[in-house]
Amino acid sequence: KNEVEQSPQNLTAQEGEFITINCSYSVGISALHWLQQHPGGGIVSLFMLSSGKKKHGRLIATINIQEKHSSLHITASHPRDSAVYICAVKGAGGTSYGKLTFGQGTILTVHP
Amino acid sequence: NAGVTQTPKFQVLKTGQSMTLQCAQDMNHNSMYWYRQDPGMGLRLIYYSASEGTTDKGEVPNGYNVSRLNKREFSLRLESAAPSQTSVYFCASSDLEGYTRSYEQFFGPGTRLTVL
Repeated sequence: KNEVEQSPQNLTAQEGEFITINCSYSVGISALHWLQQHPGGGIVSLFMLSSGKKKHGRLIATINIQEKHSSLHITASHPRDSAVYICAVKGAGGTSYGKLTFGQGTILTVHP
Repeated sequence: NAGVTQTPKFQVLKTGQSMTLQCAQDMNHNSMYWYRQDPGMGLRLIYYSASEGTTDKGEVPNGYNVSRLNKREFSLRLESAAPSQTSVYFCASSDLEGYTRSYEQFFGPGTRLTVL
């Protein structure tokens, strides 16, 4: 079993729909990252959180440390949101670098 | 600032050939990483360098070597390429951010490598 599991693996939506991508992890963590990768493109960090909720534009990320679960929500989805969304966690414990463990990614396609 | 840069963007090798992938960052980060991304596998850590002068193996180090040339540069070498090393390779860097140990990682654009 992977340390970081995402669901669904593939998600298709119509423009305007509310989207939720889930991430569950099995280890203690100090931080969780949500990343975005456009087709053929680079990887961009969307959020980094260790508790509660963060919002940026139409994107909202939440985390429940007790349940070891995080969700990424996209409100009023748009075709330009089509991308792979990747969840990654940094394990707990004192280190001076940010070694991450990644989920397999969720492929999101938003149709006009 | 250019962020994290990688060269080359594309490369085709024959089995047994060698090559070095270059990575540089201009954000004065201490830590640098090399990942490979394969369909259905997600990103996997090959090697990392927590700080200048140190390197350590990640999840999939076999067939690779690295050099942390200085604080800015971290190269990945394939000594004898194999078809199993066909992948997209990403370099990343990170450091502490503000007052929180956030370790946000900044990624390069990737190198698409095909080994025939």
